[in-house]
Parts: sequence; C-alpha cells; structure tokens
Amino acid sequence: AQSVTQLDSHVSVSEGTPVLLRCNYSSSYSPSLFWYVQHPNKGLQLLLKYTSAATLVKGINGFEAEFKKSETSFHLTKPSAHMSDAAEYFCVVSDEAGNMLTFGGGTRLMVKP
Amino acid sequence: DAGITQSPRHKVTETGTPVTLRCHQTENHRYMYWYRQDPGHGLRLIHYSYGVKDTDKGEVSDGYSVSRSKTEDFLLTLESATSSQTSVYFCAISRDGLAEQYFGPGTRLTVT
Repeated sequence: AQSVTQLDSHVSVSEGTPVLLRCNYSSSYSPSLFWYVQHPNKGLQLLLKYTSAATLVKGINGFEAEFKKSETSFHLTKPSAHMSDAAEYFCVVSDEAGNMLTFGGGTRLMVKP
Repeated sequence: DAGITQSPRHKVTETGTPVTLRCHQTENHRYMYWYRQDPGHGLRLIHYSYGVKDTDKGEVSDGYSVSRSKTEDFLLTLESATSSQTSVYFCAISRDGLAEQYFGPGTRLTVT
C-alpha cells in the first residue's frame, strides 16, 4: 500500500519569498505523484504530475517539484510567492494500477504582504 | 475547467434519511470517483467507477452506495445518513485509470 506524509500542516511566507512545501511518500512500486491546490471553497486543481519521466516537473503558476527516489520525497517549490498562492496544497500518490489516489493531509500556505 | 457538475451544492438533512448526490460530466471520461474531505484527512476515496455499471469500493465505503447507469452520471447514495457523514463530497473524473483526475466543485452535506 502507498502513503503520503506532508511534513507541515501550515506554512507562512512573505510575498516575493520562496515557497517550499514538503512531501514524503511510501510506495512499493514506481509511483505516479501529483500536487493539487485547493483555494477556499473551491474544488481541487492539478498543479503538476510526475510519471517517471523527468525528475524535475514544472507545473502551472510557476510551481515545480523534484522527484527524489533516494529520499522518497516530492517537494513543491516556487521561487517567489504571490498573494494568490494562498491556498491548501495536497501531495498525492496513485496506486500501481492508477485507480486510487492517496492524499496527504494537506499544507495550508499563507502569504503575508 | 473540466466539465463536471455536482448537485446539490449544499444540503442539510436529518439523521436516518436517505440522501443522493449527483455527479455529471460532459467529458466522456471512463473513470469517475467519489471522495469525502474532512479536516486533517485530505480526501479519501469512497467508491469509484471504471465504466457503466462497473464500480468498486474505496477506502471509506461503509454506509455509501453508488450507481452508474450512464457514462455521464455517477450517483452517491447515503442509505441512512449519520452525523459522521457530515462532510464535503467531491466527484472526480479521469480519462483512464492512469491519467490525472479532475475534480468537481464539491457538495457540502450537513447531517443534523
């Protein structure tokens, strides 16, 4: 079975500073990994996905994530935070068949002016 | 945005009553999913469907049933609602089992 741990439930940054949201996963196979974002009272939007191609994955809105197999990590980064980035972010792993997603508990990102 | 709608968007119901939530898609995707979202738990899979009349259980399926009689519609039924089923319910679709999932806007259900 697969699992995901998001290491911080809340992260606070100032506008214009870098963002780092940490995610570790556990899987017995080569996983597919995703980051989703949820703005308040909205559905989830796919930010980016890793499916065993390039280990550095670029997503929408300037976000990127790096797959590190040796560290079983898939951390999400952005060089410069914007106020509109304030939201909840979910790290997600799929099962081997791809049918079932397992979500981390979420990280709430706050951006201070 | 992927063509996914959920109805109703909000519902308040009493303990013991049956409730049906509807997910409708216009993308002709094969896979459809129902999740619930609770604070601290992320989203948890309730049931999913991999085709018309083909469904399977997820992580938290007890107390829920589903039906899919058409490609575009996936219904979630709470046979006898309980307060522990108060949650936000999300529907998702994917083209096939290996593709990313796209989520609907959610239904906020309160069971009193």
